[in-house]
Amino acid sequence: RKEVEQDPGPFNVPEGATVAFNCTYSNSASQSFFWYRQDCRKEPKLLMSVYSSGNEDGRFTAQLNRASQYISLLIRDSKLSDSATYLCVVIVSDTDKLIFGTGTRLQVFP
Amino acid sequence: EPEVTQTPSHQVTQMGQEVILRCVPISNHLYFYWYRQILGQKVEFLVSFYNNEISEKSEIFDDQFSVERPDGSNFTLKIRSTKLEDSAMYFCASSEATGRAFFGQGTRLTVV
Repeated sequence: RKEVEQDPGPFNVPEGATVAFNCTYSNSASQSFFWYRQDCRKEPKLLMSVYSSGNEDGRFTAQLNRASQYISLLIRDSKLSDSATYLCVVIVSDTDKLIFGTGTRLQVFP
Repeated sequence: EPEVTQTPSHQVTQMGQEVILRCVPISNHLYFYWYRQILGQKVEFLVSFYNNEISEKSEIFDDQFSVERPDGSNFTLKIRSTKLEDSAMYFCASSEATGRAFFGQGTRLTVV
């Protein structure tokens, strides 16, 4: 089983739509969770951390469900500039390495 | 805004040659990393470096790989004898604390 699993997509949505991505992780010792964004042929960039209580940053909302071992990202009012690959990232306790999922590609069209 | 810088942006090398990829992490960061991404695949962890030593490394990071922080600013990845399968984008990253890592723009390594 993959350590971090994501639906590769692509998700094709119109501007203004709400879209949600899920991610599952296999190691129950995972302790820190993040969403990164990667544009084509560019470096990953931190989008937001994911906290147990859920957290919001503008149009972006992240949720964590430890019991089911999944993380979600909700994007409201999609913009053309949101088109990118969204990477789910996990850190297992007692390590400092980021474990990346394969990413979910989002394409927002006019 | 402070950023991680990597040089060169693109390196072409012949199989069997040594390459050194260079990185300047963000100055007050304590954790340094190398990751790689083969075209079309996921970002893979290679090595982490903290307090002037390797803190963790992956199975990919075998004897052909080494890292150095020769002075207070540079962080290098050396591949001693490159193979075709080493062709990838190599990302350097740094962080103040684990997780919130800032990545450089990457070095595209092509082994021919």
